[in-house]
Amino acid sequence: DQQVKQNSPSLSVQEGRISILNCDYTNSMFDYFLWYKKYPAEGPTFLISISSIKDKNEDGRFTVFLNKSAKHLSLHIVPSQPGDSAVYFCAASAWLGNKLVFGAGTILRVKS
Amino acid sequence: SQTIHQWPATLVQPVGSPLSLECTVEGTSNPNLYWYRQAAGRGLQLLFYSVGIGQISSEVPQNLSASRPQDRQFILSSKKLLLSDSGFYLCAWSLYRTRYEQYFGPGTRLTVT
Repeated sequence: DQQVKQNSPSLSVQEGRISILNCDYTNSMFDYFLWYKKYPAEGPTFLISISSIKDKNEDGRFTVFLNKSAKHLSLHIVPSQPGDSAVYFCAASAWLGNKLVFGAGTILRVKS
Repeated sequence: SQTIHQWPATLVQPVGSPLSLECTVEGTSNPNLYWYRQAAGRGLQLLFYSVGIGQISSEVPQNLSASRPQDRQFILSSKKLLLSDSGFYLCAWSLYRTRYEQYFGPGTRLTVT
């Protein structure tokens, strides 16, 4: 039962353009969402998060959008840089939970 | 600042051998601790988490076990490894009693042959 889904296994974007990574969830109890970035053979690093009381959170080149009615969130990277090439994981947490539920990840390739 | 250590970085073990992976956290007290596994081409699977010394919650039935002998030490073990135990093992921590960001260690690449 995949509660967090990243339906695009990979995405290729030209340097300088926008990268949009998508994530869908099924559990209506989720109220906190996070994006992580992972390079090969390294641990994931936290990028940005959003609470369900918001619909947008921005940090530099990274913006996360949350559409609660659609149970959908997206990560926008503008402008995309070659160093952004990595696997991006979406994760969600439910109120009073100690755990994060991760999606399968999307491989982003930024071409220079 | 907080840091998280994992060792070894890589490990090659034969089927049926035991396993012990260690994780320690510095710079924080009473963290929540987590063990994840990432199989090849897959996402992150939560294996165990702990909210305190001696308190372990198992997420997936398997031949692995976890222990937390000290506040900032988390150990992943197996008595007999299977081929399917191969993968990238990650330890993570978060602040106690929060659901907030988890911070990951560098990982251990385990290959069972």
